[in-house]
Amino acid sequence: KQEVTQIPAALSVPEGENLVLNCSFTDSAIYNLQWFRQDPGKGLTSLLLIQSSQREQTSGRLNASLDKSSGRSTLYIAASQPGDSATYLCAVRTGANNLFFGTGTRLTVIP
Amino acid sequence: DTAVSQTPKYLVTQMGNDKSIKCEQNLGHDTMYWYKQDSKKFLKIMFSYNNKELIINETVPNRFSPKSPDKAHLNLHINSLELGDSAVYFCASSRPSGRGNEQFFGPGTRLTVL
Repeated sequence: KQEVTQIPAALSVPEGENLVLNCSFTDSAIYNLQWFRQDPGKGLTSLLLIQSSQREQTSGRLNASLDKSSGRSTLYIAASQPGDSATYLCAVRTGANNLFFGTGTRLTVIP
Repeated sequence: DTAVSQTPKYLVTQMGNDKSIKCEQNLGHDTMYWYKQDSKKFLKIMFSYNNKELIINETVPNRFSPKSPDKAHLNLHINSLELGDSAVYFCASSRPSGRGNEQFFGPGTRLTVL
């Protein structure tokens, strides 16, 4: 059974810092890994999708890496801004055609 | 706007009632999903559905049933609501052809059962 874990559960950083969020999964037989952000009381916004054959994806200040064999992914956020404050979720897609979500990292960027 | 939309956004009801949540996507996707986010903010798949197969998470009670009138809609019907059904329910969809495609989520429906 796939289990997805995110560390840390919460993170506070001053504005302008670079930071890394971690995601690990137990079963490496995945189709892809997706990073989302969720603002309080809101839905999920897809940030990056990495296919199982890829090593990384970049979008603006965000860079996500994937090491499938070790069951790990990281989300790197450069030059953090207060608007980046949200909960970040990673999810892996398996052969059952659905996403297994991690528990999330709640990020606070302090102005 | 092209998006995944859900109605209602908030739903408050009494135990024992039957209710439905509607989901529509105009992205041309052929697979749709329902997820439940519990009070601890953990998201878990309930159903995935395309015009060929319905996959049900075995932990979902049979009081929950998805109904798809067409490819753009997947509604969630819940019978005999219980207190433990209180959660936020998210609909999602993904593009045709293959399981490597990105999922797009609706804004969620917050269900409160009194």
